[in-house]
Amino acid sequence: AQSVTQLGSHVSVSEGALVLLRCNYSSSVPPYLFWYVQYPNQGLQLLLKYTTGATLVKGINGFEAEFKKSETSFHLTKPSAHMSDAAEYFCAVSLSPISGGYNKLIFGAGTRLAVHP
Amino acid sequence: GAGVSQSPSNKVTEKGKDVELRCDPISGHTALYWYRQSLGQGLEFLIYFQGNSAPDKSGLPSDRFSAERTGGSVSTLTIQRTQQEDSAVYLCASSLGANGNYGYTFGSGTRLTVV
Repeated sequence: AQSVTQLGSHVSVSEGALVLLRCNYSSSVPPYLFWYVQYPNQGLQLLLKYTTGATLVKGINGFEAEFKKSETSFHLTKPSAHMSDAAEYFCAVSLSPISGGYNKLIFGAGTRLAVHP
Repeated sequence: GAGVSQSPSNKVTEKGKDVELRCDPISGHTALYWYRQSLGQGLEFLIYFQGNSAPDKSGLPSDRFSAERTGGSVSTLTIQRTQQEDSAVYLCASSLGANGNYGYTFGSGTRLTVV
């Protein structure tokens, strides 16, 4: 069965500092990996996804994530935080179609990012 | 429509009443999902529809919860005899197909408060 662990329920950074949100997954088959962002009182918006190919994926708003199979990780980074990045971030895993699984996403518990001046 | 639409956006109900939550997915999206987000919790999977069928309803927490989808489009999540622990944000999402390559598009959710 798949699972996702997000280390740190709250992360606080200064504006302009590096953002690093950690995600580790557990999957017995090649996973598809996703990061979503949720702004207050809104639904979730897809930031980026890894399916196959290049392990470094770039998403919207300057975010990127790297799939490291040996570490079973998919950490989210951004070189320079903006105040507008303050939100909750969710890492998610789903089965790849090779295993016959359907697109059911399993989400981590989320990390709330605060950005202070 | 352009996005996933959920109604109502907020619902306050008395304990013991039944509630219906509605989801209009993106036109042409065959897959539809319901999740529940409780305060301070992650997203809890409830049910998955492919067309009008629900191949995976393993996340429904009790027999008070049911869902249906008609015409391969609109879905309704019904909670009978609501309890205070049912208070949460109920999120609906749709995707183009069941292939894991597709990301989900989420609605803004229905915030349910049981008093």
